[in-house]
Amino acid sequence: GEDVEQSLFLSVREGDSSVINCTYTDSSSTYLYWYKQEPGAGLQLLTYIFSNMDMKQDQRLTVLLNKKDKHLSLRIADTQTGDSAIYFCAEGYSSASKIIFGSGTRLSIRP
Amino acid sequence: NAGVTQTPKFRVLKTGQSMTLLCAQDMNHEYMYWYRQDPGMGLRLIHYSVGEGTTAKGEVPDGYNVSRLKKQNFLLGLESAAPSQTSVYFCASSYSREGHEQYFGPGTRLTVT
Repeated sequence: GEDVEQSLFLSVREGDSSVINCTYTDSSSTYLYWYKQEPGAGLQLLTYIFSNMDMKQDQRLTVLLNKKDKHLSLRIADTQTGDSAIYFCAEGYSSASKIIFGSGTRLSIRP
Repeated sequence: NAGVTQTPKFRVLKTGQSMTLLCAQDMNHEYMYWYRQDPGMGLRLIHYSVGEGTTAKGEVPDGYNVSRLKKQNFLLGLESAAPSQTSVYFCASSYSREGHEQYFGPGTRLTVT
């Protein structure tokens, strides 16, 4: 079945890199996403990667995909206080109009 | 351009009461979705719609009904609220079949006592 798993919490020091990890079970997904949810708000798409790619870089964000291990990661370089949020990993399918979300990783920043 | 809006923002219901949550989008998106978010469980899809007049069940549809009479609106109804339906409800919309770039509303916090 479809399942997406993430650790619940991550704490990093301001200025360090944050790495948020995600594993998924269904290798038939077409897209893998990272969404960000700030307090009291809905989710916003941060970035996504096609399942036939290994890496995508977008400014401070780097997404790595290991298809063999079904492992996705999001690296945030030079983490800032504004990066404090919950980050959701999700997988999507071209054959269905839905996305399966993980439970989210709460990123907190230490001074 | 307001994006996706939801009303109300907060609501408290007694067990057995009914209510309707309204989602509106002004982006001319075909696809709309209702999710619930519970602590430690991420988002779970309740119902979705691939166009005006059509709806489909998601992962957790029991106890909810939906309607999409107009393209820009997607309504979520609770006919007889239960404490298990205490949650934060998010509406989303997207323009593509693949569902990427779902645009989310700000959420409705519902408490059922």
